[in-house]
Order: sequence, then structure tokens, then C-alpha cells
Amino acid sequence: NAGVTQTPKFRVLKTGQSMTLLCAQDMNHEYMYWYRQDPGMGLRLIHYSVGEGTTAKGEVPDGYNVSRLKKQNFLLGLESAAPSQTSVYFCASGTSSGRYAETQYFGPGTRLLVL
Amino acid sequence: RKEVEQDPGPFNVPEGATVAFNCTYSNSASQSFFWYRQDCRKEPKLLMSVYSSGNEDGRFTAQLNRASQYISLLIRDSKLSDSATYLCVVIWNTGGFKTIFGAGTRLFVKA
Repeated sequence: NAGVTQTPKFRVLKTGQSMTLLCAQDMNHEYMYWYRQDPGMGLRLIHYSVGEGTTAKGEVPDGYNVSRLKKQNFLLGLESAAPSQTSVYFCASGTSSGRYAETQYFGPGTRLLVL
Repeated sequence: RKEVEQDPGPFNVPEGATVAFNCTYSNSASQSFFWYRQDCRKEPKLLMSVYSSGNEDGRFTAQLNRASQYISLLIRDSKLSDSATYLCVVIWNTGGFKTIFGAGTRLFVKA
């Protein structure tokens, strides 16, 4: 099993350009997440999905859109990149047992630089 | 006040030392607690879940204190390979899961 994979690993964008980050998992997990990690701030949740066809906003959703057309894939889109979106983006997948969220498994991350 | 707070450190300890980290959280309705480890420029990986009764995994012990709203991680007999950033994670369900990561505590173990 590959676990959670992310593409691309690194990207440089100019302000105003758009791009899509792809996350794929082969663990049949229902839940998938997109985080960004900035120095001194920890990981912040951008959007998440509790199943195919569903998405929800996290803590910092502005400037991002997501789609979960297939259970194994979770796409993060930046329509018009801004320098404030320079960050490391992590995708994660996980399960839930009723009321309790369980372990999240992370991808290797995508480093994005917006000039 | 941040929802989840950790001492950023860094903690510099010699090999063989015992070191403890605390993490405080603000939401008393929090339900799930975890410690993750993150190596430099790598993804976070689960270290251990934290249960009310406390749990131990080898040299690592995690505790939850609901009354004072904090979780702790104790590392005994520190190894060089324990050098990393340790992230606490708190999750609560308010009609949808809210996952909050602490900013992390950096640990350097020296020979």
C-alpha cells in the first residue's frame, strides 16, 4: 500500500495563477483532510470531507476550493494564488468510529511558493 | 487564548534523560486526543493516542487530565532518534469533527 500520496511535491506560482493539488489514498478511508502548515502556527485545517461527494470548511477555507468526486481522491484548488498562500500543504485521511475521530495518516506534503 | 497550546521549546536534553511535554486545550467538550511526531521537513506521524486512563508504549507515556484540561507526554531514556517536533492534537465533535493541532514542541537530544 502506498498510503497517502500527494502531487506535486513542490511548485512555484506567480500571483494570480491557479493550480490543483491532488491527494490520493488507498486505505479506503472515509475521511480526508487538507491542512496548511506555516512556521510557528502548527497545522491548520483548510477543508475536509467525510465521504465521497461531500466537503466541509475547516478553520482557514478562504481562497481554496475542494472536490471529492471519488472516495480515494481529494483535490485542493487555488483559483487565484496569493503570496499569503505560500505554505506547506498536507493531505491526510482517516476513519471515524461513531462519535470519535481516529488516527489520521498524512501524505508527504506539497511545498508551494507564490511569488 | 489559543484552543490548543504547547510550549514551543526547544527542549535540549542529553541522551538518557527524561523529558515531559504538556499541552493545554480550551474546549471542555474535547473528545479525542493524540500525540504526533514530525521530523524536519516530513509529514506528521502518529506517536500515540491519549486515553483517560493513561497509556504507555515502551519509553513513551501519555496522560490526560480532563479536570485541568491538559495532556502530557513523557519520554524516558531519551535517544538521539527522539529529536523531532511533537504535536498534540485535540478533536471535538460539534456536529462535525473539529481537529486542532498544537504548534508543536521541539526536542533536541544530544550525545
